[in-house]
Amino acid sequence: LAKTTQPISMDSYEGQEVNITCSHNNIATNDYITWYQQFPSQGPRFIIQGYKTKVTNEVASLFIPADRKSSTLSLPRVSLSDTAVYYCLVGAGSGYSTLTFGKGTMLLVSP
Amino acid sequence: DAGVIQSPRHEVTEMGQEVTLRCKPISGHDYLFWYRQTMMRGLELLIYFNNNVPIDDSGMPEDRFSAKMPNASFSTLKIQPSEPRDSAVYFCASSLGGTSGDYEQYFGPGTRLTVT
Repeated sequence: LAKTTQPISMDSYEGQEVNITCSHNNIATNDYITWYQQFPSQGPRFIIQGYKTKVTNEVASLFIPADRKSSTLSLPRVSLSDTAVYYCLVGAGSGYSTLTFGKGTMLLVSP
Repeated sequence: DAGVIQSPRHEVTEMGQEVTLRCKPISGHDYLFWYRQTMMRGLELLIYFNNNVPIDDSGMPEDRFSAKMPNASFSTLKIQPSEPRDSAVYFCASSLGGTSGDYEQYFGPGTRLTVT
């Protein structure tokens, strides 16, 4: 199973751009990279998914270098409501069993 | 769509009792997942189904845990007998499937289980 490493916590202020990097050195050829967000007392919520290069949607961007051994979730102009735990997942190319939630990154956004 | 529905939202029971958690996936989703979340172990995949058939139950902690999906709109996770170490938040999630690389899972609100 592809293992991921991401910072335990990050701090930011409202209006700033936040970049959370995830390392996944043993990513397999058919693995996808997926990010989820989780608020207290709620289930995780899908943010973005990618395979290579850059993916952008209405809430975030995902940057994946050519070697795919890491990825960076970029949140533009965060607000207090972005305070949450962010999980990086790698896998799924061979079935959902390979998708493993790690400890996640606790992002705290302050005024 | 109402999203993934789980019941009950909270369950408090005594050790040794049987506990049944229920889940209604999003209509049309082919995959259903059961997760458990604790502070110590994080979010763990227990079992998942494809078209009502269990595909991987390697995450089920022991024989006290069992899961069924009798039809496309209902699944249960049963713990018998329950133990204090089973206390956790149990999430159900559903997904359309892995076609075209779309692995997005939609999570329910969870069931907070406390075993005393």
